[in-house]
Amino acid sequence: KAGVTQTPRYLIKTRGQQVTLSCSPISGHRSVSWYQQTPGQGLQFLFEYFSETQRNKGNFPGRFSGRQFSNSRSEMNVSTLELGDSALYLCASSPLAGGIYEQFFGPGTRLTVL
Amino acid sequence: GDSVTQMEGPVTLSEEAFLTINCTYTATGYPSLFWYVQYPGEGLQLLLKATKADDKGSNKGFEATYRKETTSFHLEKGSVQVSDSAVYFCALSQGGSEKLVFGKGMKLTVNP
Repeated sequence: KAGVTQTPRYLIKTRGQQVTLSCSPISGHRSVSWYQQTPGQGLQFLFEYFSETQRNKGNFPGRFSGRQFSNSRSEMNVSTLELGDSALYLCASSPLAGGIYEQFFGPGTRLTVL
Repeated sequence: GDSVTQMEGPVTLSEEAFLTINCTYTATGYPSLFWYVQYPGEGLQLLLKATKADDKGSNKGFEATYRKETTSFHLEKGSVQVSDSAVYFCALSQGGSEKLVFGKGMKLTVNP
């Protein structure tokens, strides 16, 4: 069974641009969560989606948004990029929502903002 | 809000040494507790978990016991291997949510 895939794996953008990151969960998984990983702040929760609905949102500005499609694939968007948005963005999937099942993480998308 | 505090390291050990990584948490109610491991260039992998007080999680020689009285979930391994070199994260989640709250992570290097 294929794992969680994230595309692209690496991105370089400049300040003020916007970016879209994609996450394909493990086949059959319907819950997707996103995390930002930085050396200073560590791993921070961004969003949680289940059946195309956002169930939970972390403490990030409105420039960070996301969505989930009917096939459970998810995208996150960051508008008006800032230098501080440089990070590894991780996606995780699990079969259902509710915190009952193990979450499986993808390898991440490394975003560099210049 | 909920938080997790763990040893940050980095820590370097020799092969076959004993490993302890301390983790304490602050949370309301009865969170589930996890240890995740991140190998270089990879995403996080669940190492072990415990969902209620006095539960012991174990996997690949690693163990951790959920201690509610001390709000701790320390990770231990009796004899580390070079292949255990990675970053270790302690985390918690509250019932009904996929949201994980992570500690800062600790980088472990094991030398032969």
